[in-house]
Amino acid sequence: SQQGEEDPQALSIQEGENATMNCSYKTSINNLQWYRQNSGRGLVHLILIRSNEREKHSGRLRVTLDTSKKSSSLLITASRAADTASYFCATDARGNEKLTFGTGTRLTIIP
Amino acid sequence: DAGVIQSPRHEVTEMGQEVTLRCKPISGHNSLFWYRQTMMRGLELLIYFNNNVPIDDSGMPEDRFSAKMPNASFSTLKIQPSEPRDSAVYFCASSLIQGVNTEAFFGQGTRLTVV
Repeated sequence: SQQGEEDPQALSIQEGENATMNCSYKTSINNLQWYRQNSGRGLVHLILIRSNEREKHSGRLRVTLDTSKKSSSLLITASRAADTASYFCATDARGNEKLTFGTGTRLTIIP
Repeated sequence: DAGVIQSPRHEVTEMGQEVTLRCKPISGHNSLFWYRQTMMRGLELLIYFNNNVPIDDSGMPEDRFSAKMPNASFSTLKIQPSEPRDSAVYFCASSLIQGVNTEAFFGQGTRLTVV
């Protein structure tokens, strides 16, 4: 079963705009991660945020985590055509390394 | 490091045949995961190993699926007999689980088509 649900399922924006994707999950977590998947390829890790962290930055990526609402958001600033991909959140629980993925958001950047 | 290596990249087989998917994890990683991805069901965790031992196989669909990890550098996922509904992309991922770090590295996947 899917632990996380991403919202929206699909998002199209103009190049240069910011893209925001959201993830909700159901059970208590240890970490929450975001991954990117280009068409026909494997998933690539983007960023990890721990359950005791509220915000994290990496380059043009900003991730927030609200454990009281069991939700996270991924913000990509100044989007580029190369950011076109599907984005997934993944969670793991304390003492359990099993990574459970959400349903993904398909992001399209229009040049 | 070459990353996680999966073979074959593509497999087309007839219903009823045995299919074996192979994975070489990143050297030094202690956990290995098999996932299946379809449009309808998304990414499903089938099984994961820690230090070559199967920890959780609750995602394995049925007895037709089996997975082994005979050593730290090799794992197989076998489907016997295969059915058209097994058509999907199968990913292997490995991870070095240390404390809070659970980042997973994925292979390029095997696209399986059962006709």
